[in-house]
Parts: sequence; structure tokens; C-alpha cells
Amino acid sequence: DVKVTQSSRYLVKRTGEKVFLECVQDMDHENMFWYRQDPGLGLRLIYFSYDVKMKEKGDIPEGYSVSREKKERFSLILESASTNQTSMYLCASRNGLESSYEQYFGPGTRLTVT
Amino acid sequence: AQSVAQPEDQVNVAEGNPLTVKCTYSVSGNPYLFWYVQYPNRGLQFLLKYITGDNLVKGSYGFEAEFNKSQTSFHLKKPSALVSDSALYFCAVRNNMLTFGGGTRLMVKP
Repeated sequence: DVKVTQSSRYLVKRTGEKVFLECVQDMDHENMFWYRQDPGLGLRLIYFSYDVKMKEKGDIPEGYSVSREKKERFSLILESASTNQTSMYLCASRNGLESSYEQYFGPGTRLTVT
Repeated sequence: AQSVAQPEDQVNVAEGNPLTVKCTYSVSGNPYLFWYVQYPNRGLQFLLKYITGDNLVKGSYGFEAEFNKSQTSFHLKKPSALVSDSALYFCAVRNNMLTFGGGTRLMVKP
């Protein structure tokens, strides 16, 4: 079974803090993704990565950065957390083959910025 | 640009009745369509996908979905709902990246 784990289920941070969200997958997947989930808006793509040290902006990258130093790990960084970044954050991974369609999701991190 | 619409925020159905969760999409080229389910405090789980072939796709937990090209729809269906089906359902379309709909909360009452 594919396993995608995220470092925290719940996180409370203060405005202006630097926040790190960690994601690890154990299936040697090339592609990894960070989404945020908000009621009524579904999932929106923040950043994704095709390979180690590769990153691409998604639909809503502002206020975020990412790091992928190892294939299995993809980190999302909030440089200076703001209250509008309070959300559920979901990490996902996928095989890099063109014929591979399914993304596997982690359990999510619910971040509250006060 | 691709997009997905789930017109209902919530669908209520009695246990044992058939259920339908609606999804329409807009994409250039051939669509790859997906349904995911999210149970409380859990990540998204894959239910089923349409890539090519039969318009009726069968997936996990007795769910199926019907691809209708002329109506650009991919509605999720189940013949007999269970209380345990209560969850948040997301439709998604993939061209290059996955684009998700806003989600539909399914409430199945005993």
C-alpha cells in the first residue's frame, strides 16, 4: 500500500511565524503535490514537484515556498504565516509515468494561524 | 483552462435509496475524470476514474459513475446508499494537472 504521511495533523501558529509542513511518501514516486482545502473551494494546487530539486508553481503559490531535497520528502514553507493561510493542507504523490493517473493523499494538516 | 463544477453543496438521501452526486467539467481534449472521497479527519481516497472505453465506470464501495460526453458530465451513483457513505465527495479532471470541484457533502440518514 502506498503511504503518504504528513508531520502534523493539527498545528497552531502565530501570525508572522515561519511554518514548515513536511510530507513523506514511501513508494518512490517522482511527482509530489501540495494542496490547500477550503470549504466550497475544493482543493487548490499550491506547488508541485516532478523530481528532486524541481518545483513548479500551482494555482495559488503566493505566500508559500517548497523544498524537495530528497525524492521521498516534499516540504511546504510559509515564510511569514498570515491568518488567511488558516486551512487544511494536503500532500499527494503520484508515479511519474504518463499512464499513471491516480494521486495518493496524506491525511492532511489542519493549520490555524492566530 | 479546465474546470469542474459540483452544483450541489450537500445531497441528502435515505439509507437504501439510490444516490447521485453531480459533476460537470470543461476541458480541451479528451478528459481524464476522477472521483475521490474524504471521510472525516482523513485524506482523500480514490474511488474511480474514467480514461477511455465504457461510459459506465465501476469503482470502490459499490460506486459507479457515468461519463456523458455530450453533456460534459460525470455523475457519481450508487444503487443503494449506506449510512457509512456519508462523506465529502470530490470530482476532478486531469489534463496536465488535477483540477478539483468544490466538493459535495453526502448525508445518508437511517
